[in-house]
Amino acid sequence: EAQVTQNPRYLITVTGKKLTVTCSQNMNHEYMSWYRQDPGLGLRQIYYSMNVEVTDKGDVPEGYKVSRKEKRNFPLILESPSPNQTSLYFCASGGDWNIQYFGAGTRLSVL
Amino acid sequence: GDSVTQMEGPVTLSEEAFLTINCTYTATGYPSLFWYVQYPGEGLQLLLKATKADDKGSNKGFEATYRKETTSFHLEKGSVQVSDSAVYFCALSRSNFGNEKLTFGTGTRLTIIP
Repeated sequence: EAQVTQNPRYLITVTGKKLTVTCSQNMNHEYMSWYRQDPGLGLRQIYYSMNVEVTDKGDVPEGYKVSRKEKRNFPLILESPSPNQTSLYFCASGGDWNIQYFGAGTRLSVL
Repeated sequence: GDSVTQMEGPVTLSEEAFLTINCTYTATGYPSLFWYVQYPGEGLQLLLKATKADDKGSNKGFEATYRKETTSFHLEKGSVQVSDSAVYFCALSRSNFGNEKLTFGTGTRLTIIP
């Protein structure tokens, strides 16, 4: 079954404690991306990757890092989380015709 | 820059009612247009798409037509069901140096009551 898997689904942490949200896809897609979803703002792109070792900033990259060492994995790293990063995060991978497949989401609360 | 404006919600309808969710966009060039649906506790799923002017996307009884003259992509369904209750997102994509970024509207929450 084609899928994008994110972990964890829920995470509560404290300000400044480094965390990583993992994302893995089994569709051999070259393109992967991270979005955050906030009420009234829709989804906004954080980072994207066009292939292994190729990453670039999206619209709201501040406070986030990513890496793409393998084609299937695209982790999102928050080195020093702050309360304004409390949000719902989605990983996506892209195939043909601009169609993107989304993970189930990670709900992060930073206290 | 690119932007998508969609109908404010929430929208509540009775089962078998006709549904329209309005969506308009601003973008240069010729974007692809999408409707994604998000069921409670799940990620976004592609509902339908259209890649050029006058294309009609359709799926599960939903339809939307790419209208370049009015820069719109309104979502319609003739008879909604309780199972259609979800949040609907209109989005566009315009490949920019390999970034297949989706630009989303703010979402419309739809609730169907029996």
